Amino acid sequence: DTAVSQTPKYLVTQMGNDKSIKCEQNLGHDTMYWYKQDSKKFLKIMFSYNNKELIINETVPNRFSPKSPDKAHLNLHINSLELGDSAVYFCASSQDVGGSTDTQYFGPGTRLTVL
Amino acid sequence: GENVEQHPSTLSVQEGDSAVIKCTYSDSASNYFPWYKQELGKGPQLIIDIRSNVGEKKDQRIAVTLNKTAKHFSLHITETQPEDSAVYFCAAKGGGRRALTFGSGTRLQVQP
Repeated sequence: DTAVSQTPKYLVTQMGNDKSIKCEQNLGHDTMYWYKQDSKKFLKIMFSYNNKELIINETVPNRFSPKSPDKAHLNLHINSLELGDSAVYFCASSQDVGGSTDTQYFGPGTRLTVL
Repeated sequence: GENVEQHPSTLSVQEGDSAVIKCTYSDSASNYFPWYKQELGKGPQLIIDIRSNVGEKKDQRIAVTLNKTAKHFSLHITETQPEDSAVYFCAAKGGGRRALTFGSGTRLQVQP
C-alpha cells in the first residue's frame, strides 16, 4: 500500500485554466503539507494542515487554495494557471507537528506543466 | 525565518569512496535535521534524521553529525554504491508548528 499518494502524476494544461491535485495518506497522520519543487529542484513549503486546520500558509498567490475534507486528504486547487506555476508539487504528511512526531513522508509528486 | 545552505551542489565520487555533504542553518531554535534522498521522477525519501539532543547518528553506511554551536550538520555516506546516485537534501525545523526548510540539494554521482 502506498503511504502518501497523489493524483494525477502528470498534469498538462493551458494558461488560465483551473485544476486540482489530490493527496491521500493512509498512515493515520494528523498533519499534511504541500510543497512546490521548481526547475532548479528547490523545495519550498506552501501550506500545512493539522487536524484539518490551516497552520502554515507561506507567501503563495491566493490562486492556490488548499482544502482538507478530512485528516487523510489534502487537495490543492489552482485557479487561473500561469506559466510560472509549472513545477512538481509534492504532498507530505507527519504524525503531528512537534516533538518526535514531525517526521515528514512525501508522496511521489505531480508534475504540472502549463502551456 | 530559517535559512539552510547546502554544499556542494554536485559531487562525483568513485564507487567505494566516501561522500560528505554539509549544511549550515541560521535559526538557533531549529532542533530537527532530516536528510532526504530524491531519485529521478520520485518524491524525497527520508534516509536519516537527527535531533538536537544528540551529536551523531549512524545507520549502516549513512551517518549524520550535528554541531549546534556552529549551526552545521553533515551527511556521511561510506562505501558508496552506484545506487546511491541521487539528489540529497538537508533540512532544518524548529519546534511546534514551524515549517521544514530545505537546502538547495546536492546531486551525488557514484561512478562504477
